[in-house]
Amino acid sequence: DQQVKQNSPSLSVQEGRISILNCDYTNSMFDYFLWYKKYPAEGPTFLISISSIKDKNEDGRFTVFLNKSAKHLSLHIVPSQPGDSAVYFCAASTSGTYKYIFGTGTRLKVLA
Amino acid sequence: NAGVTQTPKFQVLKTGQSMTLQCAQDMNHEYMSWYRQDPGMGLRLIHYSVGAGITDQGEVPNGYNVSRSTTEDFPLRLLSAAPSQTSVYFCASSPRPKSLEQFFGPGTRLTVL
Repeated sequence: DQQVKQNSPSLSVQEGRISILNCDYTNSMFDYFLWYKKYPAEGPTFLISISSIKDKNEDGRFTVFLNKSAKHLSLHIVPSQPGDSAVYFCAASTSGTYKYIFGTGTRLKVLA
Repeated sequence: NAGVTQTPKFQVLKTGQSMTLQCAQDMNHEYMSWYRQDPGMGLRLIHYSVGAGITDQGEVPNGYNVSRSTTEDFPLRLLSAAPSQTSVYFCASSPRPKSLEQFFGPGTRLTVL
């Protein structure tokens, strides 16, 4: 049973436009959510996070939105740049469990 | 700082062989973990440790052993490799168990024939 789902395996966006990556979860006990970016042949790198007490967190071009009632979060990248082309994973955790559950990833391609 | 290092980068094993994937971090992080990444499956947690001498199981622990004798090292042992363990393995660490951000190593690509 996949507790964290990224239903879009891939996404193509024109440079300068907004990229929106989506993530759904089923476990209502999750209270921390994270996004990681992964380039080929490298390990994932942390991008941005959000706690369940917030509905938005912003860091430069990256904004994460959390809709707890819908059990949905999204990552917005504005403006998108070719260097943003990578696989993006969302992950979720419950306080005190020390376990992180990752989604299957979305491959973003930003076209120049 | 070297960050999180993993050795080897690539490994081919025959079914039934054993081996240890090495992971080390020089950031004095308390929390370390192992994940495997398979096509269409994302990253799945194998084992984790919240400090030296303390380990626990993740989502997919079967077939793997870990130990944490020092803060720096967190080796992953395959006792009897199986083709189902063909995967890319990532080690990660974070300053505290409840820290949101994990730092990942570059990965080890393992093939079991």
